[in-house]
This record gives sequence, C-alpha cells and structure tokens, in this order.
Amino acid sequence: EIVMTQSPATLSVSPGERVTLSCRASQSVSSNLAWHQQKPGQAPRLLIYDASTRATGIPARFSGSGSGTEFTLTISSLQSEDFAVYYCQHYNNWPPRVTFGQGTKLEIK
Amino acid sequence: DVQLVESGGGLVQPGRSLRLSCTASEFTFDDYAMHWVRQAPGKGLEWVSVISWNSGSIGYADSVKGRFTISRDNAKNSLYLQMNSLRSEDTALYYCAKALRFDWLVLDYWGQGALVTVSS
Repeated sequence: EIVMTQSPATLSVSPGERVTLSCRASQSVSSNLAWHQQKPGQAPRLLIYDASTRATGIPARFSGSGSGTEFTLTISSLQSEDFAVYYCQHYNNWPPRVTFGQGTKLEIK
Repeated sequence: DVQLVESGGGLVQPGRSLRLSCTASEFTFDDYAMHWVRQAPGKGLEWVSVISWNSGSIGYADSVKGRFTISRDNAKNSLYLQMNSLRSEDTALYYCAKALRFDWLVLDYWGQGALVTVSS
C-alpha cells in the first residue's frame, strides 16, 4: 500500500508570499498525482492533476511539479482566498486505488 | 455548471444499513466515472469507491470492501452507495465526485456531501 505524506502539517504565511507544499510517496507513483484545495465548510476543488496540469479555471499562480516520489505544489503569490487545506492525491489505474495525503493547512501569519 | 447532490444520510445504529444517492446534472453523466469519498469530522479525505462509466470497473478501499457496494443508473443520472454492517468509524461526510473524462481516477467536481452518523 502506497502512503502519501504531506509536509508541513501547517504553514503560516503572509499574503503575497510564495509558498511550496510537499507531498512524498512511499514508493514511485510516476506522475499519477493530483492536488485539491478545501476551504472550511466547502467541498474540495481540483487544482492540479498528472502532477503538473492545471485543472480548468485554476489561476496560473498555482503550479505543480515532481514525479516518482517527490511532488510540490507552489503558489507564486498567496491571495487571501488561498488560505485553505491542501491535499495531494495519488491514483493507480489497476487495481483502481486512490490515496490522499493527510493535508497541509495554510494559515494566515 | 456541474451539479452533484447527495442524499440519504442520517443517524443509523451500528450494524445497520444505509443507502446514499447522488443525483447529477449539467453534464453527460454516462460519459464519466464516479467516486465516493468520505471525511470524518475534523479529519482528512478518505477515498471509498469508484465506478466506471458503464459499471464495468469498480474499486473499493480496503476499509469498506465487502460491506459497501457502489452502483449507478445512467438513465436516472444517479450514483449510489449501499452501506451495510455500519461501524462507528464509518461516521463521516460522504462526498460524491465526478472524474475527469480521460483520467478516471482524478476527481474534478465534488458535491457538498451527505452526513452519515453511526451511533447507538
């Protein structure tokens, strides 16, 4: 079973800063990695899939990179609406399996 | 805009059953795989199950395999989750989610969730 580990658990940052979130897989997952954003009381929203492809309507300040076991989500200049919890998601086509990381909470410094 | 509306949640005793439904609109339902994902109160996301567009491929998390059954009715634009032998640890907000067209395990739209509470 592949385990996805996100770090840090919580990150305190100021608006306008550049931030990088990390997600590590316990074994290689190729580029089968997505990122989701969840704000309090809301459903998650897809940001990035296939490690680096932005989903429809996602602003260019969000970017993803990595392959194998190390992945990052970068927000180039934090906006107030970006303070949320971010989850990485691994997916394996067969047998079908989806695994989420435990999440990183971005909070206002 | 894609609409996914879950229903059927509620309070149920341990060992009993519950069936969740998800009604989809504003997209061609039978073109897409669909998922169930749950979130225990104050916790992270846990994937539950996936069903392909034609029900030909199905997958479950180990934690629910043998107890939960996913199904869909494309004529009714509906997704279902039959939950049997419920346990306290199944208490969660259950989200239905749509997949990308060509990446059936990437969840791109989520409903608002249905709360399931398992307690005596």
